[in-house]
Amino acid sequence: DSGVTQTPKHLITATGQRVTLRCSPRSGDLSVYWYQQSLDQGLQFLIQYYNGEERAKGNILERFSAQQFPDLHSELNLSSLELGDSALYFCASSVEGQGVEQFFGPGTRLTVL
Amino acid sequence: SQQGEEDPQALSIQEGENATMNCSYKTSINNLQWYRQNSGRGLVHLILIRSNEREKHSGRLRVTLDTSKKSSSLLITASRAADTASYFCATDGDNYGQNFVFGPGTRLSVLP
Repeated sequence: DSGVTQTPKHLITATGQRVTLRCSPRSGDLSVYWYQQSLDQGLQFLIQYYNGEERAKGNILERFSAQQFPDLHSELNLSSLELGDSALYFCASSVEGQGVEQFFGPGTRLTVL
Repeated sequence: SQQGEEDPQALSIQEGENATMNCSYKTSINNLQWYRQNSGRGLVHLILIRSNEREKHSGRLRVTLDTSKKSSSLLITASRAADTASYFCATDGDNYGQNFVFGPGTRLSVLP
């Protein structure tokens, strides 16, 4: 158990819908990262927050957005969902923002029908 | 792109044998990390090696880093069936704000 929690574990929805994925980092970790893992794209970095501020952006679509709240939990919002958004979404956390070990949550499996 | 690329894509060995996986990357880095992922689960950090280090050990794991060749290798000695998983290298950049970029992974199967 990494100490990072993600909810929900599974999510099944339809194209065009909007969903919110939630992540609680390990106690004491200030940085949260979001990744998307699909069969054809591998593990793709989406976005990072550090102590409430956006730190770095990766291959995140405009239909996706995220935020980190004062209690350090983070949410990833996916809107206008497409079939291709079906994937495993991982959250990771670390103590600092760069150059350190990341602790991964168990992931949320999103299926878009 | 600074993406790491693991090699081979898949590796199948017998229990007790050693497994070697390689990672190549394209740009300068501060750190390189290796992670393991069991099927459909979250990644687990194995080892971090900094750009000024050449070799690091952790239990049955040995990681080497050659910054001149922009490559790293992960050696798992005396493999066990429980080592069956996908292994990823992740590289960061040498600029502030760069984030770890994961390669496509090596799928290791350890046969009993």
